[in-house]
Amino acid sequence: QVQLKQSGPGLVKPSQTLSLTCAISGDSVSSDSTIWNWVRQSPSRGLEWLGRTYYRSKWFYDYAPSVRSRITVNPDTSRNQFSLQLNSVTPEDTAIYYCARGKMATGFDYWGQGSLVTVSS
Amino acid sequence: QSALTQPPSASGSPGQSVTISCTGTSSDVGGYNYVSWYQQHPGKAPKLMISEVNKRPSGVPDRFSGSKSGNAASLTVSGLQAEDEADYYCSSYAGGNNLVFGGGTKLTVL
Repeated sequence: QVQLKQSGPGLVKPSQTLSLTCAISGDSVSSDSTIWNWVRQSPSRGLEWLGRTYYRSKWFYDYAPSVRSRITVNPDTSRNQFSLQLNSVTPEDTAIYYCARGKMATGFDYWGQGSLVTVSS
Repeated sequence: QSALTQPPSASGSPGQSVTISCTGTSSDVGGYNYVSWYQQHPGKAPKLMISEVNKRPSGVPDRFSGSKSGNAASLTVSGLQAEDEADYYCSSYAGGNNLVFGGGTKLTVL
């Protein structure tokens, strides 16, 4: 059974960097048949796909245009996890952040428990 | 503003059927057979209920079904049960690295 467990701070100051980690069990971040994503949810923006990483003989990274200049998604093969870094945050980045497994075309079949991140001084 | 349009609410009595719509454009819903539906209970992560317009992942009751016509997709829940009360979201692949979601529909079981 695949499980995704998220960790990271729940409060980030404006202009600083939001960092979250998603630990994977029951699957491998290096699997060549799946994709690892970050999605956020807020009352103002609804559900929003942020970015993904996946391995197909080499690592690939894709990001949503809305955050492309500020986001990094990185795999950590030694710990079988992947991370989200979002730079220069503002209160607009306050949201519940989820990691999720799956492809855009076929849907996200496993989700982390969610992490409420508040951007406030 | 969400890219896909869903009604904010829907309701039905136990045992009845309810259909939730999801309207997009020819660039997303109408352009691909890649519509997914998610169920979300309060305080929980979304759960995939339908993928690729009408495919049910393992473990999803066959009371849940999906369809698409043109730029609109639909989720039908038949034989409503109390545990079906939740928020439902549609999503559609929109080409390239684009994925769009609907604004969500709150389903109430009366």
